[in-house]
Amino acid sequence: EMRLLESGGGLAQRGGSLRLSCEGSGFTFSSYAMNWVRQAPGKGLEWVSGTSGSGNNTYYADSVKGRFTISRDNSKNTVFLQMNSLRVDDTAVYYCAKPRIVVVAAIPEFDLWGQGTLVSVSS
Amino acid sequence: DIQMTQSPSSLSASIRDRVTITCRASQNIRTYLNWYQQKPGKAPNLLIYAASSLQSGVPSRFSGSGSGTDFTLTITNLQPEDFATYYCQQSYKIPTTFGGGTKVDI
Repeated sequence: EMRLLESGGGLAQRGGSLRLSCEGSGFTFSSYAMNWVRQAPGKGLEWVSGTSGSGNNTYYADSVKGRFTISRDNSKNTVFLQMNSLRVDDTAVYYCAKPRIVVVAAIPEFDLWGQGTLVSVSS
Repeated sequence: DIQMTQSPSSLSASIRDRVTITCRASQNIRTYLNWYQQKPGKAPNLLIYAASSLQSGVPSRFSGSGSGTDFTLTITNLQPEDFATYYCQQSYKIPTTFGGGTKVDI
């Protein structure tokens, strides 16, 4: 059974840092680009960042560019999101998401999501 | 970035109703359009990809159509478990973007 399990969420101060982790299982992790999608309380979905299967290519939403860094350790089937210079509007549930297919330089539909981890940033 | 606009933002329906949700893209995205269902406190679940392809395990009462800029998600014979929020997503260009959501309630 394919699974994604996020961890690392919690409470942070404005300007602080957090590191999220997402461990995948049940599929060939290194073949798939992995992504982070967030959802602010009561709001819609916002794609945050993605990385290619190798980790050599990374992509970011403008709202987090320069503050967040995505990386992965394929030996541990884990993708990370390092979040620095946190803002109050970064408060959200952060989901790890796997694309349905293996693609290059694209972000297709997501067929597997983690349960989410809540990040709360206080002022 | 490509803007995705869903309508309506919410609707009320009854069991066995036919429900239609629309999604409009700010530019031509061919058929790179996906639909998700999300229930409170849960992660989204992929329903339809490539505008009209039904994801494995999704009931056939869900269907999608459209191309270019205008797309539709249709739910026929609405069931109790279908009351949820639905999102469209364009996967034509990075950054991928989502519509604002449509909440379907009783």
